[in-house]
Amino acid sequence: AQTVTQSQPEMSVQEAETVTLSCTYDTSESDYYLFWYKQPPSRQMILVIRQEAYKQQNATENRFSVNFQKAAKSFSLKISDSQLGDAAMYFCAYRSAKLGKTSYDKVIFGPGTSLSVIP
Amino acid sequence: DAGITQSPRHKVTETGTPVTLRCHQTENHRYMYWYRQDPGHGLRLIHYSYGVKDTDKGEVSDGYSVSRSKTEDFLLTLESATSSQTSVYFCAISESVVGADTQYFGPGTRLTVL
Repeated sequence: AQTVTQSQPEMSVQEAETVTLSCTYDTSESDYYLFWYKQPPSRQMILVIRQEAYKQQNATENRFSVNFQKAAKSFSLKISDSQLGDAAMYFCAYRSAKLGKTSYDKVIFGPGTSLSVIP
Repeated sequence: DAGITQSPRHKVTETGTPVTLRCHQTENHRYMYWYRQDPGHGLRLIHYSYGVKDTDKGEVSDGYSVSRSKTEDFLLTLESATSSQTSVYFCAISESVVGADTQYFGPGTRLTVL
C-alpha cells in the first residue's frame, strides 16, 4: 500500500524568505501523480501544485515550485518570497495513475505541515 | 472556486444519535468523496461515489453510510454517532479519474459528538 510522509509537523519562515516543505512517499508503481494542497484557517483545501511522475521537469506555479526526485521518492515544495497569506497547513498527496476495478484511484494524504509566516 | 457546499457547517450532537451531513455540487461532476480530517492523520477517505447509486467504501468506513440519489447530492450518515467520530468532514468532487484530474473540496463540516 502507498504511504505519504511529511516529517515536519511545524515550520516557520520569515516574510519574503524561502522555505522548503518535505514530503516522501512509498509506492511500487511507476506512474502516479503528486499534489500539494494548502489549507488556510478557513479550512478550505486549495490545490497548490501537481506533478506527473512521468515528467522529469519540476512543476512551477508562480512562487511555488517542487523538487521531484522520483528515485528517492521525494516531493518537496519550495515557497519563494513568502507572504503572510502563505500561512496554512500544507498537505502532500499521492494518487495512482492505475485504474482500479471501479475506475477509482484513491488519493492518499500525508499528515500535514503547519507553516507559520513571521512578519 | 468549484461549486461545492456542505451543510451543516457546524454540528454538536450526542452519542447514539443519527447524524446526516449533506454535500451539494453544481459542477455536474461524476465522482464525489467524503473524507474526515483528524490531527496527525491528514485526510482519510470514508466513502466515495462514482455515479448515482454507485458507492463504495474507503479506508475508514465503519460506522458510516452514504447515499447518492442525484448527481448533485452526496449524503453521509452516522447511524449512531460516537465520540470517535468527532472530526472535520470534507466533501470533494472530481470530473474524472484519469489524467492529472484534481479533486475540489468543499468548506468542511465540524462535527462534535458529546
